[in-house]
Amino acid sequence: NAGVTQTPKFQVLKTGQSMTLQCAQDMNHEYMSWYRQDPGMGLRLIHYSVGAGITDQGEVPNGYNVSRSTTEDFPLRLLSAAPSQTSVYFCASSPWTSGGGTDTQYFGPGTRLTVL
Amino acid sequence: DQQVKQNSPSLSVQEGRISILNCDYTNSMFDYFLWYKKYPAEGPTFLISISSIKDKNEDGRFTVFLNKSAKHLSLHIVPSQPGDSAVYFCAAHTSGTYKYIFGTGTRLKVLA
Repeated sequence: NAGVTQTPKFQVLKTGQSMTLQCAQDMNHEYMSWYRQDPGMGLRLIHYSVGAGITDQGEVPNGYNVSRSTTEDFPLRLLSAAPSQTSVYFCASSPWTSGGGTDTQYFGPGTRLTVL
Repeated sequence: DQQVKQNSPSLSVQEGRISILNCDYTNSMFDYFLWYKKYPAEGPTFLISISSIKDKNEDGRFTVFLNKSAKHLSLHIVPSQPGDSAVYFCAAHTSGTYKYIFGTGTRLKVLA
């Protein structure tokens, strides 16, 4: 049971480039989410999904796209990278069994992204 | 508008003493609160949680207190150990929604 995995661990992009951050979980969790962590800002929700085919925006969705074609995978796409997207990105999953979001979220190890 | 605030960016405590980490919130609709612990180069891990129908929840050395009237929660670690040195995030959630709102984090350093 690998939990939540993220690839790559590190990435450097040039302004305007696009890329996809990968996230996978093997716990059959319905809920998955993406956060970014910036100094002094804590963790901010980018997008989330409550099941395959269902996604919605979080606090800071601009410049990012997501899709959820399977329960296991939840990739985050940067359409045209900007220096403001330099951050550490965390993916998380939760079973959401209670229906009220009181389940623990399990986080991946993160992807450190630098946009030059 | 920061709905969940951790006003102390850092805290240093001697080993064996109590660590108290604080968190304030502004949204009275929050009804579930969680604390996460994060080591460098790792993802956050769940520590302890509390529902708004309670005012205290305890798990070993960790206790979370909730004061709804003051919109304030605190995490107590007793006794503090060097392995507790990490960044601690509080998070809040409203039933029926799918979003967690995190605070900015407090870096705890436990001195041996």
